[in-house]
Amino acid sequence: GEDVEQSLFLSVREGDSSVINCTYTDSSSTYLYWYKQEPGAGLQLLTYIFSNMDMKQDQRLTVLLNKKDKHLSLRIADTQTGDSAIYFCAESNAGNMLTFGGGTRLMVKP
Amino acid sequence: DTEVTQTPKHLVMGMTNKKSLKCEQHMGHRAMYWYKQKAKKPPELMFVYSYEKLSINESVPSRFSPECPNSSLLNLHLHALQPEDSALYLCASSQVGRSGKGPGELFFGEGSRLTVL
Repeated sequence: GEDVEQSLFLSVREGDSSVINCTYTDSSSTYLYWYKQEPGAGLQLLTYIFSNMDMKQDQRLTVLLNKKDKHLSLRIADTQTGDSAIYFCAESNAGNMLTFGGGTRLMVKP
Repeated sequence: DTEVTQTPKHLVMGMTNKKSLKCEQHMGHRAMYWYKQKAKKPPELMFVYSYEKLSINESVPSRFSPECPNSSLLNLHLHALQPEDSALYLCASSQVGRSGKGPGELFFGEGSRLTVL
């Protein structure tokens, strides 16, 4: 079955860049997603990338996809304290069923 | 309107109670989902409704009973729950997935935090 893995925790200083990494096993993944979850809240879709792309940029967010290595990363430029949250990587194939990674808790220190 | 609204936000119930969680969306999405999320864990899929019909049940115990009365509403009826069922229950909606087309963007509600005593 599908498997999506992320590191548990990342700590950065305000103003630095954050890079959150994710690996997945399903070679038939069509879309890969990054969701953000703030404490006590639901999940918010940040960005997604189609599997035939290798990079997508959206303001402070840059997604890099290495399809050969099945590695996905999310870079947040100029990280702010408001970026502190849990970030979930997820993948889907032809349907809409998502497989989530375990989540990476990002802590931004002032 | 790009919101998924869940009520109640918090629910405390005893093991003999019957209660319901409600979810509503007005984005015209025809796929709706229930997820369960324990603390510090990713969401786990429970049920999927597609065109108001149950399409996926991830082996969820019968004490959880979903209902989709129309294309905008999704309920989760709760009966005889156990303390280990305490969790954040997330509702989500999306366009119905078509093979190879369209992102599977799920819109999540804020969740209903359930505590079973």
